[in-house]
Amino acid sequence: DQQVKQNSPSLSVQEGRISILNCDYTNSMFDYFLWYKKYPAEGPTFLISISSIKDKNEDGRFTVFLNKSAKHLSLHIVPSQPGDSAVYFCAAKEGSGNTGKLIFGQGTTLQVKP
Amino acid sequence: EPEVTQTPSHQVTQMGQEVILRCVPISNHLYFYWYRQILGQKVEFLVSFYNNEISEKSEIFDDQFSVERPDGSNFTLKIRSTKLEDSAMYFCASVGRLYNEQFFGPGTRLTVL
Repeated sequence: DQQVKQNSPSLSVQEGRISILNCDYTNSMFDYFLWYKKYPAEGPTFLISISSIKDKNEDGRFTVFLNKSAKHLSLHIVPSQPGDSAVYFCAAKEGSGNTGKLIFGQGTTLQVKP
Repeated sequence: EPEVTQTPSHQVTQMGQEVILRCVPISNHLYFYWYRQILGQKVEFLVSFYNNEISEKSEIFDDQFSVERPDGSNFTLKIRSTKLEDSAMYFCASVGRLYNEQFFGPGTRLTVL
């Protein structure tokens, strides 16, 4: 069941440059999308989210873009910093209200080189 | 800043034994979840819990699993008879009434021998 896919298992960028992490989904019923950051031996940490009624949400260095027609979202990190090195998970919420479960992608490991 | 906490951080058990994983969600949150991540695989939904009952459960959450909120603060996941394939990181998450963002605990690493 691959409703949420992150096709790039890893990404390496230079400090100060832009990191772009991509995510595709198949279920048009998803109404909310989230990005989580995860360090080894820790739980996922919420980063940024976007509702399906929007196409962009920005929070500091992090911007999420949603293209509903293409069922695609991306996370942009500008400028990238070495501390951003982690696994990034895209997740989609299905169902109305707060009780919807999250469906996660496989994750993309980002390495930011000094 | 409020956070979700989980105990123990690591649990080692023998196959067939019962384990209870504990979580303390963020205090004013109302919706609670358990997820797991088998090594090298995706984070998978197990169960959601609201108003003292299960809202939704996945195929993984069979009769060997149960959840409980015994005292208004703790939220527990019990596995009655553990199997080797239950070895995974188990994450608890919670969300408040007005939000969509689920906040995760640090996880419990369960190792079944």
